[in-house]
Amino acid sequence: SYELTQPSSVSVSPGQTARITCSGDVLAKKYARWFQQKPGQAPVLVIYKDSERPSGIPERFSGSSSGTTVTLTISGAQVEDEADYYCYSAADNNQVFGGGTKLTVL
Amino acid sequence: QVQLVQSGAEVKKPGASVKVSCKASGYTFTSYGISWVRQAPGQGLEWMGWISAYNGNTNYAQKLQGRVTMTTDTSTSTAYMELRSLRSDDTAVYYCASSDDAFDIWGQGTMVTVSS
Repeated sequence: SYELTQPSSVSVSPGQTARITCSGDVLAKKYARWFQQKPGQAPVLVIYKDSERPSGIPERFSGSSSGTTVTLTISGAQVEDEADYYCYSAADNNQVFGGGTKLTVL
Repeated sequence: QVQLVQSGAEVKKPGASVKVSCKASGYTFTSYGISWVRQAPGQGLEWMGWISAYNGNTNYAQKLQGRVTMTTDTSTSTAYMELRSLRSDDTAVYYCASSDDAFDIWGQGTMVTVSS
């Protein structure tokens, strides 16, 4: 089975840059997606194919990839970006989420 | 509009089964697969499996093999997830999702509580 590892929490002040990493061997071969989840809500896709941003997602959200690690960057984080963030990837017949990172913006 | 609408909350006893539905609208149902994801209270997202809405092919998470069955009804654009032999640790919000690159929609979630 595959595993994706994320930090459990990241904290920044408003306007600072938040970076959330996700590591796993599968990421060297397969794309990653990033989801944002706020309390009581379904997840929302913020990045796909490592670095592509769906329409409607603010430009401050970006993604990058290097080897077995992908990174979600929120440039100029806003209070409304406070949420849980999950990376995700799929390989062969397996799909897996990272454990999630709680982003605090205050 | 493009949406997935799931069935309502369920309360089940240990050992029972639950079947959750997920009705698609606003897009061609057979163009995308349906994934099922669950989230236990206070925990992260767990992928349960995937079904092709085009041909019914399935792929289940290893830990749920033998207990889960995913099906679709293309006549009603509805996907179903049945989980059997329920245990207390199956208590979770269950989501259906349809995605492909930038196309990504989720149902509102169905709370399944397993309690004696």
